[in-house]
Amino acid sequence: NAGVTQTPKFQVLKTGQSMTLQCAQDMNHNSMYWYRQDPGMGLRLIYYSASEGTTDKGEVPNGYNVSRLNKREFSLRLESAAPSQTSVYFCASSESWLAGGGEQFFGPGTRLTVL
Amino acid sequence: QKEVEQNSGPLSVPEGAIASLNCTYSDRGSQSFFWYRQYSGKSPELIMSIYSNGDKEDGRFTAQLNKASQYVSLLIRDSQPSDSATYLCAVNPGGSQGNLIFGKGTKLSVKP
Repeated sequence: NAGVTQTPKFQVLKTGQSMTLQCAQDMNHNSMYWYRQDPGMGLRLIYYSASEGTTDKGEVPNGYNVSRLNKREFSLRLESAAPSQTSVYFCASSESWLAGGGEQFFGPGTRLTVL
Repeated sequence: QKEVEQNSGPLSVPEGAIASLNCTYSDRGSQSFFWYRQYSGKSPELIMSIYSNGDKEDGRFTAQLNKASQYVSLLIRDSQPSDSATYLCAVNPGGSQGNLIFGKGTKLSVKP
């Protein structure tokens, strides 16, 4: 099992460009998450999908959109990238949203730089 | 605002010693507690979960939970240089919330 996979691993964008970060999991998990990690700020939740067909905002959703394509895949889109979105982005998944907060497993991350 | 607090460190311990990492949380209703290890440039890796008061041991790792004091700790026995990493404490707020709130992490350095 590959666990949680993310593409791309690295990306450089110019201000105003758009891109989609892809995430897939093969653990048959119901819930998926997108985080960003910045120095001194820790991990912050951008969006989550408690189950297939649902998505909700997390702590820092502005400037992002998500799509839960199916049970396996959860994508994050930056419509018009800004330098403030320079960060490391992690996708994670867990078996269930309602099981008292399940154990989350993380992908390898995407390192995004916006110039 | 629900918060999870950790000392940023760095915490430096000699090889073979016990490393003690601490975490406090603000939401008394929190139900689930997790410790993640993150090596530089890598993603967080789950190493321990704890759900009830007391101690939970897994190899060289022991997680301790005290809900009354809103305190979680991680002990690493016989610390090795390979344990050098940032350790993240994560808390599930409980109720209808399935998300995790992460602390900013404590950087541990184990000196040979």
